[in-house]
Amino acid sequence: QQQVKQSPQSLIVQKGGISIINCAYENTAFDYFPWYQQFPGKGPALLIAIRPDVSEKKEGRFTISFNKSAKQFSLHIMDSQPGDSATYFCAASTLFSGGYNKLIFGAGTRLAVHP
Amino acid sequence: KAGVTQTPRYLIKTRGQQVTLSCSPISGHRSVSWYQQTPGQGLQFLFEYFSETQRNKGNFPGRFSGRQFSNSRSEMNVSTLELGDSALYLCASSSKTGTRSGELFFGEGSRLTVL
Repeated sequence: QQQVKQSPQSLIVQKGGISIINCAYENTAFDYFPWYQQFPGKGPALLIAIRPDVSEKKEGRFTISFNKSAKQFSLHIMDSQPGDSATYFCAASTLFSGGYNKLIFGAGTRLAVHP
Repeated sequence: KAGVTQTPRYLIKTRGQQVTLSCSPISGHRSVSWYQQTPGQGLQFLFEYFSETQRNKGNFPGRFSGRQFSNSRSEMNVSTLELGDSALYLCASSSKTGTRSGELFFGEGSRLTVL
């Protein structure tokens, strides 16, 4: 019940296209859902985060869509650029499982944006 | 502002040895979390420290331990190393903990290889 399932495992998108990564969870106590971006040789960096009281959050070309009833959330990258090529991790946490800094991560999606 | 600094960046140990990894958080951050990243298990939470106290612990054996000093610097120790402990160990700092979620700032990690 603590798992966060992420798909696809890898994704190839053409420059200018839309990249979509999906995550699903079981634990209804989760109430904080961040997305992290990781480049090779670097640590993950927070991209965008959402709480379940909103269905969508947009920051620049990055949008999180959240479906509470389906227990799913997704990351959309609009106008994908080669510089977006990285591994993306969704995550979830809840106060009741140890606090918001204890993140349960998805397995990651390796995104490649071809020019 | 300097980021999260982890030392050493790379190290090689043999089975049965022990290892100590160090993390200096961003100045002013009092929460330090540790994560293990492996190709097979992904990113997994080890523990979180705040004001020198362990707040949370993940599902790792007692061979994994940590501590935090009064200046918020943290160390983690792995005793009796096993081959499966080979991983990238990531430290993350945050200005918030517990009931308040905060962005986790990750270091570049310490890559441990156990032979």
